[in-house]
Amino acid sequence: QVQLVESGGGVVQPGRSLRLSCTASGFTFSSHGMHWVRQAPGKGLEWVAFISYDGGHKYFADSVKGRFTISRDNSKNTLYLQVNSLRAEDTAVYYCAKDTGRFLEWLSYFDYWGQGTLVTVSS
Amino acid sequence: QSVLTQPPSVSGAPGQRVTISCTGSSFNIGAGYDVHWYQQLPGTAPKLLIYGTRNRPSGVPDRFSGSKSGTSASLAITGLQSEDEADYYCQSYDSSLSAHVVFGGGTKLTVL
Repeated sequence: QVQLVESGGGVVQPGRSLRLSCTASGFTFSSHGMHWVRQAPGKGLEWVAFISYDGGHKYFADSVKGRFTISRDNSKNTLYLQVNSLRAEDTAVYYCAKDTGRFLEWLSYFDYWGQGTLVTVSS
Repeated sequence: QSVLTQPPSVSGAPGQRVTISCTGSSFNIGAGYDVHWYQQLPGTAPKLLIYGTRNRPSGVPDRFSGSKSGTSASLAITGLQSEDEADYYCQSYDSSLSAHVVFGGGTKLTVL
């Protein structure tokens, strides 16, 4: 069965960096685009970033553009999110989610989600 | 302020029918793009509930149904059960945004 397991979260000071990871299993990772979605405490879902199946296309929410980087290693079935210049408002549970297709397109949606990893930005 | 607008909360008694609306614009739902719905039970990750506006993944009861009209979509839940108490989110594609993926703000369903 499909499994997505995030890791790398923790408590970090403002302005610092973290790298989040998402290890996938149960499907052909290299054939699917992948997303990061976050949820601040007590708040709704916020889409963060997308990477195409081959890493050739990347998209970011305006709120993280220029600070976050998304990448993947298909040989390791792993998705990454490099989060830099962290701010208090980046405090959230970060979920990785599988897209049903290869690219970000009009019918993109998330058919599987990981359990999330909590990032807390605090001094 | 979410691009897709949902009511913050809805409620219903066991056995009743409730609907959750998701209102967008001519750049997303009104443009004909599909709407997808996710259920988030307390303390858990979201789960796909409805895809392609009206399709249910395997394992989702037929008490859940989706529809769309104009710039709005709806999630209907019939025969309400206590285990349906959760947060529900709609999601679609938006052609006016560089990033395209948009969520509704979420709706808390309370089973009375």
